[in-house]
Amino acid sequence: EAGVTQFPSHSVIEKGQTVTLRCDPISGHDNLYWYRRVMGKEIKFLLHFVKESKQDESGMPNNRFLAERTGGTYSTLKVQPAELEDSGVYFCASSPQTRTFYNEQFFGPGTRLTVL
Amino acid sequence: QQQVKQSPQSLIVQKGGISIINCAYENTAFDYFPWYQQFPGKGPALLIAIRPDVSEKKEGRFTISFNKSAKQFSLHIMDSQPGDSATYFCAAIHTGTASKLTFGTGTRLQVTL
Repeated sequence: EAGVTQFPSHSVIEKGQTVTLRCDPISGHDNLYWYRRVMGKEIKFLLHFVKESKQDESGMPNNRFLAERTGGTYSTLKVQPAELEDSGVYFCASSPQTRTFYNEQFFGPGTRLTVL
Repeated sequence: QQQVKQSPQSLIVQKGGISIINCAYENTAFDYFPWYQQFPGKGPALLIAIRPDVSEKKEGRFTISFNKSAKQFSLHIMDSQPGDSATYFCAAIHTGTASKLTFGTGTRLQVTL
C-alpha cells in the first residue's frame, strides 16, 4: 500500500511569489492534516480536513495560506505571497476514520520550502 | 507558549548505551502520548505510544515512562544501535475533541560505534 506522498520535495522561491504544495493521502483515509516545522522548532499543526471539509484550521498562520481538498482526495496548500518566515518543512499526514481510541496519523516525507 | 517541552535538543550515545529523551506537557486534557521517529528525508513515523492510565510501556528496546502527577514522560532506548540514529519527537493529543498532534521540538540522536 502506498504511503502519503507529497510534491514537490523541495521548493525554492523568492519572497512575494506563490507556491502550491500537494499532498496525496493514503487511499481511503478521510482525515488529512497539514503541519509545518520551522528549522529547529516543533512540528506545528496547521489544519485538519475530514473528507473535503475543514474540521480545524486554527493553526493557519494568516490569510496568505489557503488549503483545499478537492473531492475529499488530494489536498493543496497555497502560499501567496510567500514571506521569508514561511520557510520550513511542510508535512502532510492522513489517518482513517475509525472508532478506535486513536487513529494513527501517517506522515508524508514533507516539502522543504525555502523563501529567499 | 509551547505546550510540550522536549530535551535534550541533541544526544550522542555509544552503541549499546541507553538513550533517554524527556518531555513535559502543560495541558492536562491530553490523553495520548505518542513518540515519533524521523529519519533524514522521511516523514515522522509512530514509534511507540502511551495512555496516561499506565506508568510504563515497553516495546522491544523502546520504553516510555509516564509520570502523570509531574506531567512528564520519557523515552528510553536500551542497547542503542547506530540504526537508531534519527530525530525523535514526543507528542501529545486530546483524542476527544481534536485530532491535532502537539509536538515537542525534537531530539537528534546519534549513536556512535
